[in-house]
Amino acid sequence: AQSVSQHNHHVILSEAASLELGCNYSYGGTVNLFWYVQYPGQHLQLLLKYFSGDPLVKGIKGFEAEFIKSKFSFNLRKPSVQWSDTAEYFCALSLGGYNKLIFGAGTRLAVHP
Amino acid sequence: NAGVTQTPKFQVLKTGQSMTLQCAQDMNHNSMYWYRQDPGMGLRLIYYSASEGTTDKGEVPNGYNVSRLNKREFSLRLESAAPSQTSVYFCASSPRIQGGPNTGELFFGEGSRLTVL
Repeated sequence: AQSVSQHNHHVILSEAASLELGCNYSYGGTVNLFWYVQYPGQHLQLLLKYFSGDPLVKGIKGFEAEFIKSKFSFNLRKPSVQWSDTAEYFCALSLGGYNKLIFGAGTRLAVHP
Repeated sequence: NAGVTQTPKFQVLKTGQSMTLQCAQDMNHNSMYWYRQDPGMGLRLIYYSASEGTTDKGEVPNGYNVSRLNKREFSLRLESAAPSQTSVYFCASSPRIQGGPNTGELFFGEGSRLTVL
């Protein structure tokens, strides 16, 4: 069965530190990949997505992710985090129509001033 | 800009009781979904509705039923609640683009926290 693994459940950083959150998936075919973010007390919202083309995708708020097909990975990065990036981050994949997303377990990021 | 609205936001039930979670979206989206979120397990799809009049099981449908009442509304029913159904439930919707790739963007409600004692 298809699955998504997020390696870090909790990450604590200081402001201005660089961020990389790992995401690996298991599926041998074509996938669409996503990162969603849930800020404290708010809805989940889309951060960025990859369908095809340039494997380096840029999202909102300075986030980017790189799709590496050979490693089945889609890691999320940000060069310099801010306190306002404190949130839970979810990697997800879709195999096709109807947006049936399969989510990873999530990574809680805490950024200290 | 209501987006996706879920009710109730909080509910406590006793084992065996029934209840319905309501969800409505005002974005004219075709597809709607119910997920549950549990610590360390991410979001798991319970049921989804690709379009008005259709519903399908997701990963964890046991113990739940759904109704796609119309294009706007998609309800989730627990007929006989069990402690294992204690969770946070999220409703989501998404548009389908005719003739093109799906956007992959789900629009989520604020969640409904359910506790079953």
